[in-house]
Amino acid sequence: GQQVMQIPQYQHVQEGEDFTTYCNSSTTLSNIQWYKQRPGGHPVFLIQLVKSGEVKKQKRLTFQFGEAKKNSSLHITATQTTDVGTYFCAPMYSSASKIIFGSGTRLSIRP
Amino acid sequence: DGGITQSPKYLFRKEGQNVTLSCEQNLNHDAMYWYRQDPGQGLRLIYYSQIVNDFQKGDIAEGYSVSREKKESFPLTVTSAQKNPTAFYLCASRGQAAMGSYEQYFGPGTRLTVT
Repeated sequence: GQQVMQIPQYQHVQEGEDFTTYCNSSTTLSNIQWYKQRPGGHPVFLIQLVKSGEVKKQKRLTFQFGEAKKNSSLHITATQTTDVGTYFCAPMYSSASKIIFGSGTRLSIRP
Repeated sequence: DGGITQSPKYLFRKEGQNVTLSCEQNLNHDAMYWYRQDPGQGLRLIYYSQIVNDFQKGDIAEGYSVSREKKESFPLTVTSAQKNPTAFYLCASRGQAAMGSYEQYFGPGTRLTVT
């Protein structure tokens, strides 16, 4: 079936360091969403990428969609303790398909 | 105050009992979803419904049942046939893909413990 690989599974960084999580698919995606789940909370939508090569920024967060629309990344510059949580990519293979969630990357931060 | 509500937040049941988890939304969304999340894991789709009176199995539907009699409500029943029911259950909804947006809105979740 259609699967997406998200890496790394965990990342522990010093506050102020950068963080990146990657999402890779073997087949072309229609679009991809990113969600953040704080510890004990529920996933919250961050952004949706649709176009090949698209780059979107939200303050310290930069989201990229690959040229081939098979991979995506989320990069956080100068992490803060408020960034702690699990980041999930959620690709769609067509506009009519259901969303598939990646396994997530759990970010923890040393103050 | 629009959103998705799930109740209760914590639920405890004895093995062998069926239990129904509530999910209500006042966002006027057509599509609703149920996910299961185990500790340290991602989200796995149990059932989804794209319109009232219609629903489809997700990846792990065995041992679960749903109904969609009203647009606002999508209750999930965890039956005694579900072998490992203890988990965090998340309900989500999504409106029509206006302007190409497929954003899902999640409820706060119900933590079910079966002993």
